[in-house]
Formats: sequence, structure tokens, C-alpha cells
Amino acid sequence: AQSVTQPDIHITVSEGASLELRCNYSYGATPYLFWYVQSPGQGLQLLLKYFSGDTLVQGIKGFEAEFKRSQSSFNLRKPSVHWSDAAEYFCAVGEDSGYALNFGKGTSLLVTP
Amino acid sequence: DAGITQSPRHKVTETGTPVTLRCHQTENHRYMYWYRQDPGHGLRLIHYSYGVKDTDKGEVSDGYSVSRSKTEDFLLTLESATSSQTSVYFCAISDPSTDTQYFGPGTRLTVL
Repeated sequence: AQSVTQPDIHITVSEGASLELRCNYSYGATPYLFWYVQSPGQGLQLLLKYFSGDTLVQGIKGFEAEFKRSQSSFNLRKPSVHWSDAAEYFCAVGEDSGYALNFGKGTSLLVTP
Repeated sequence: DAGITQSPRHKVTETGTPVTLRCHQTENHRYMYWYRQDPGHGLRLIHYSYGVKDTDKGEVSDGYSVSRSKTEDFLLTLESATSSQTSVYFCAISDPSTDTQYFGPGTRLTVL
């Protein structure tokens, strides 16, 4: 069955430190891959996406993600975290254009001073 | 921001009552979706629509129905609300020019 796994439920990092959030998926072909961020009490905002081409994609707010086909992974990274990055992050996967998304359970990021 | 609104934004209701949530878009996109968000579960698909009067079930459709009589509106109905349907409900649209889903602000529903 198709699935999306975010292994880390909670992550705590110090402000200024680097960040990596993990996402693994189980799909037959290369799916459409997304990262969304949700601040408390807010809706979901798209950070970045990957469909094909260059496997390192840049997004908003200084985030980037790398698609690794051999590992079925699409990990999100940021070189230096800011306090405003504290939020919940969701990895999502779709089979094709227009298909509904299958979400991971999310990773909650806490940023300490 | 994509032109998606949801109404109501908050609702408290009692077990057994019918509830309808509305999603309205100004983008004229064909594809629309309803998800629910619960702690520890991420977002799960309830129903989706590929056009007017063209809807289908998602992963957690039991207890929910939908209707889409106009491109811009996608309604989610709980025929008889239960406490297990207490959740935050998000509507989304898919923009075919970017192959990306955009989400509404959500509706927080509490069933007592």
C-alpha cells in the first residue's frame, strides 16, 4: 500500500542550527512530492515541490529538499533555523497531477533560543 | 493566496445533528478535496471532486457526504454528527497550471 512516513514526531533545534526533516514514501513510480508548513491555528502553506528534473529543489523561507529515488526519500533542509520556523511540517505525496495527496503524520519543530 | 474560503470557521454542535461545511473557490478549478486533520494522523482525505456532480470517496468517508452543483462550491455534510467527527476540516483545490494543491483556512468543528 502507498504510504508516507515522517519518522520524527517532534524535533527541537537551537536557533541558528541546521535542520533536516525526514520523509520516506512508498509508491510505485516517482510521485509528486510536496512539503507544507502549518503554523499554530493556521492553514497549510506550500514550502516546495518536486515533480521531475533537478533533484535538489529550492522553496520559500530558505528551505530546500532533495529527492533521492534510491532511498525513496524527500528530506527537507534549512541551513540556519529562525525562531519563526517553529511550526508543524507535513510531507505529502500524490500519484499524479490532480490526484489527492497522501500526507505524513507531520513533524513538530520547536526552536530554542 | 489561492481564492479559497471555508464557512463556518468554527462550529460547535451536538451529537446527532446534521452539519454542512462549505468550501468556496474563486479560481474555477475542477479539482476540489476535503481533508480532516487530527493530532497524530496528519491530514486524511474524506471526499474529492473532479468536476460538477463528479465526486468520489476518500480514505475516511464513512459518515460524510458531499455535493458539488457548481464549480465554485464543494459542500461537506455530516448527516448525523458524532463525537469522533470532532476535527479540523480543510478544503483544497488543485491548480492545473502548477499541479499544486492549495488549502483553505480550515473549519474547526466540535461535536459534543
